[in-house]
Amino acid sequence: DGGITQSPKYLFRKEGQNVTLSCEQNLNHDAMYWYRQDPGQGLRLIYYSQIVNDFQKGDIAEGYSVSREKKESFPLTVTSAQKNPTAFYLCASSMLPQGSSPLHFGNGTRLTVT
Amino acid sequence: DQQVKQNSPSLSVQEGRISILNCDYTNSMFDYFLWYKKYPAEGPTFLISISSIKDKNEDGRFTVFLNKSAKHLSLHIVPSQPGDSAVYFCAATPFIAFGTGTRLTIIP
Repeated sequence: DGGITQSPKYLFRKEGQNVTLSCEQNLNHDAMYWYRQDPGQGLRLIYYSQIVNDFQKGDIAEGYSVSREKKESFPLTVTSAQKNPTAFYLCASSMLPQGSSPLHFGNGTRLTVT
Repeated sequence: DQQVKQNSPSLSVQEGRISILNCDYTNSMFDYFLWYKKYPAEGPTFLISISSIKDKNEDGRFTVFLNKSAKHLSLHIVPSQPGDSAVYFCAATPFIAFGTGTRLTIIP
């Protein structure tokens, strides 16, 4: 089955530690995205990538970093510089970057930092 | 600055009746609008979309209406079913802006 896999589903970290969230897709999509969901704030775009080895900052990129070394993979690192890292993180992909192609989402990773 | 707004955080509708979810946007550059449905602890799934050159798109029980002059779109679900209970997000491209979501509860 084609889809997007995010792992792990739940992640716990101590404050001050960097943590990397995994996102893999086998849909052969060119574009991939990372969103963060907080209560009452909808989905906010962190980073997106339209092609391998290229990525762009979204609305709330501070404290995050990404890489896109392979078409299938778009890992997100939450660094210690991110002031409020506890959130639900969603990865998505689409056939066409920023176009009319719907986003396909993974099932998310809930990160808790204490 | 929220470019896509869903002003109703929640909505309760009796089973079998019509559910109407609303969305307003501010950026006239948006040319494509999408609705997503989300269950708890899962990623959103695409529901229905509409291009800015149309004012209506229908898919089974789901119909999306677009009023460009008012910068307003709405999702109609009829008849509403218990499985429709979820959070609904509207989104607009090309900037892929999402609304804050409306939690729809269908009352049996």
